Amino acid sequence: GQNIDQPTEMTATEGAIVQINCTYQTSGFNGLFWYQQHAGEAPTFLSYNVLDGLEEKGRFSSFLSRSKGYSYLLLKELQMKDSASYLCAVPDQPGANNLFFGTGTRLTVIP
Amino acid sequence: DVKVTQSSRYLVKRTGEKVFLECVQDMDHENMFWYRQDPGLGLRLIYFSYDVKMKEKGDIPEGYSVSREKKERFSLILESASTNQTSMYLCASRVAETQYFGPGTRLLVL
Repeated sequence: GQNIDQPTEMTATEGAIVQINCTYQTSGFNGLFWYQQHAGEAPTFLSYNVLDGLEEKGRFSSFLSRSKGYSYLLLKELQMKDSASYLCAVPDQPGANNLFFGTGTRLTVIP
Repeated sequence: DVKVTQSSRYLVKRTGEKVFLECVQDMDHENMFWYRQDPGLGLRLIYFSYDVKMKEKGDIPEGYSVSREKKERFSLILESASTNQTSMYLCASRVAETQYFGPGTRLLVL
């Protein structure tokens, strides 16, 4: 089966950098997703990593280490609008159509 | 742009009522999903469909059924709503490896 661990809550200051970690156990790896979800809204896709290393997309970057079962989402130059939950997800099984989601990390950005 | 729509943003129903939640995507995607999201539990998969008239149970199918008569539309049915089905319901459609979500329906069962 799948398992995902993320911190429940984090707080960071506007303009700073924050790293949100995700560790996972899967029966066979087939990519890792990050989603952002503002309160009361639907998740929106941020990134998909299938190979090791860092992928940068503007202020957001996502890192993957398959050997360590570890990923992180890096948010730079934090803005108040980045206050949201960040969900880590993996395919439920290799080649599966559906995703298994972690419970998410709620990030609060303070002035 | 990927567009997934859901029939209602907010819904209030009474215990025992039959409830229909509709999801529509206009991108000819084969895979569609229904999740519910509850505080502290994250997103849990109820059902998914990989083609017209094809469906698979997810992790928590009890008390729910689904219908996929046309490719663009995936309906979630609560046969007899109960208070423990009060939740946020999210539909998603998959393109390549990625799932894209509709805006969600917040259902309150009284």
